[in-house]
Amino acid sequence: DIQMTQSPSSLSASVGDRVTITCRASQSINSYLNWYQQKPGKAPKLLIYVASSLQSGVPSRFSGSGSGIDFTLSISSLQPEDFATYYCQQSYSTPHTFGQGTKLEIK
Amino acid sequence: EVQLVESGGGLVQPGGSLRLSCAASGFTFSSYWMSWVRQAPGKGLEWVANIKRDGSEKYYMDSVKGRFTISRDNANNSLYLQMNSLRAEDTAVYHCARDLGSGYPIDCWGQGTLVTVSS
Repeated sequence: DIQMTQSPSSLSASVGDRVTITCRASQSINSYLNWYQQKPGKAPKLLIYVASSLQSGVPSRFSGSGSGIDFTLSISSLQPEDFATYYCQQSYSTPHTFGQGTKLEIK
Repeated sequence: EVQLVESGGGLVQPGGSLRLSCAASGFTFSSYWMSWVRQAPGKGLEWVANIKRDGSEKYYMDSVKGRFTISRDNANNSLYLQMNSLRAEDTAVYHCARDLGSGYPIDCWGQGTLVTVSS
C-alpha cells in the first residue's frame, strides 16, 4: 500500500497569512493527488484534484502543486472559514490512502 | 442537488454483523464509481472500499478484506456495505461517497452513519 505523510500535523496561523501544507507519498503517484478540507462534524469537501486542478466553487486562494512523490497545498491569504483540517489522498492505486491530516488553527 | 444518505449504523458486539446502506439521488447513480470511507472518533479519514459503475470490480483496504463486502443496486440507486466479524477497531463514522474513478477523486460525501463495536 502507498503511505501518505503530511506535514505539519498541526499549524497555527493568522487571518491573512499564507500557509503551505506538504504531502509525501511512499512511491510515485504521478499527479493522482487530491486535497480535502474537513470542518468539525461535517463531511469532507474536495478542494484540489490531480495535484493542481481547482474543484468548481473553491476559492482561488487555494492552490496545489507537485508530482511524483512530493505535493503541496497552499492557501494564499487565510480567511476565518479556512480554519479546518486538511487531508491529502492518493488515487493512483487502491487502497486510495489518505494522509493523517493537518489541523489548521487560529493563532 | 447530489444527495447521499447513509443508514444502518448502530451498536454491535465484537464478532457481529451490520449492513450499511446509502441512498443516492440527484445524479445518474449507475454512471459513477462509489466508495465507503470511514473516520474513527477523533481520527483521520480511512478509505475502506470502492465499486465500479456496474459492480464488476471491487477493491478493499487490507484490514477489511474477507470481512466486508461492498455492493450496489443501480435500479434502486443504492450502495451497501456488509460488515461481518466486526472488531472494536472498526468503530467509526462510515461515509458513502461518489468516486470519479480512474485516478480521480471523491467529489461528494454523505454525512455518515456511526458504527460502534463494543460489548
